[in-house]
Amino acid sequence: KAGVTQTPRYLIKTRGQQVTLSCSPISGHRSVSWYQQTPGQGLQFLFEYFSETQRNKGNFPGRFSGRQFSNSRSEMNVSTLELGDSALYLCASSLETFGGNEQFFGPGTRLTVL
Amino acid sequence: QKEVEQNSGPLSVPEGAIASLNCTYSDRGSQSFFWYRQYSGKSPELIMFIYSNGDKEDGRFTAQLNKASQYVSLLIRDSQPSDSATYLCAVNEETNSKLTFGKGITLSVRP
Repeated sequence: KAGVTQTPRYLIKTRGQQVTLSCSPISGHRSVSWYQQTPGQGLQFLFEYFSETQRNKGNFPGRFSGRQFSNSRSEMNVSTLELGDSALYLCASSLETFGGNEQFFGPGTRLTVL
Repeated sequence: QKEVEQNSGPLSVPEGAIASLNCTYSDRGSQSFFWYRQYSGKSPELIMFIYSNGDKEDGRFTAQLNKASQYVSLLIRDSQPSDSATYLCAVNEETNSKLTFGKGITLSVRP
C-alpha cells in the first residue's frame, strides 16, 4: 500500500507571497493532520481534516488554512508569507479521527521564505 | 497548556547496549502514547504505540507506560548504529486525534 505523499517536496518563496501544499493520504485513511516542524519549536499541530471538515485547529494565525476533498486529499495554504514560516510542513494520515489512531507521516514539504 | 517533556538528551550509548528514552506529560486526560523515530532530513516514522499501563514489546523495542506518574519510556535493546536518530514522544486524548509532541531526544549509538 502506498504511503502518504506530499507535493511539492521543496519550495522557495518570498515574503508576502502565498503558498499551497498538497497531501494525499494512505488509501482508505480519512483523516489528514498537518504539522509544522522547526528547530526551535519542534513539531506543532496546525489542523486536522476528516470527511472534508476541519475537526481540530492548533494555535496558528488565520494565514494558515486548509481544506480536504472528497477523496481525502488535503491542501494547506499559507498567505502573506513571513520569514518565520520557513519550516518543514508535514502531513499525517490516519484511519479515523478519534484519539489512539496511528498517524503516518508523509515526507514533508520544506518551505523556505526569503 | 498541555506539555510533553523529553529531557536528558542527547544520549550516547555503545553498540549492543540498552538505550533508555524517557518522556513525561502534563495532561492526565492523555490516553494514547506514541514513539516516532526521525532520521536527519527525513520525516517521523512511527515505531511504537501504547495505550495501557505496563510494558509493550516489539522486537528490540519496549514501550513502558505509567499513567499514575504520567511517564512513558522507550527501551531499545541491543542498540545498533542504525538506531542513531531523534526519538519523538507524542500523546493524544481519547476523543482528539491531535498529537502533542516533545522536542525529541537525539540518540547516538557508537560502533
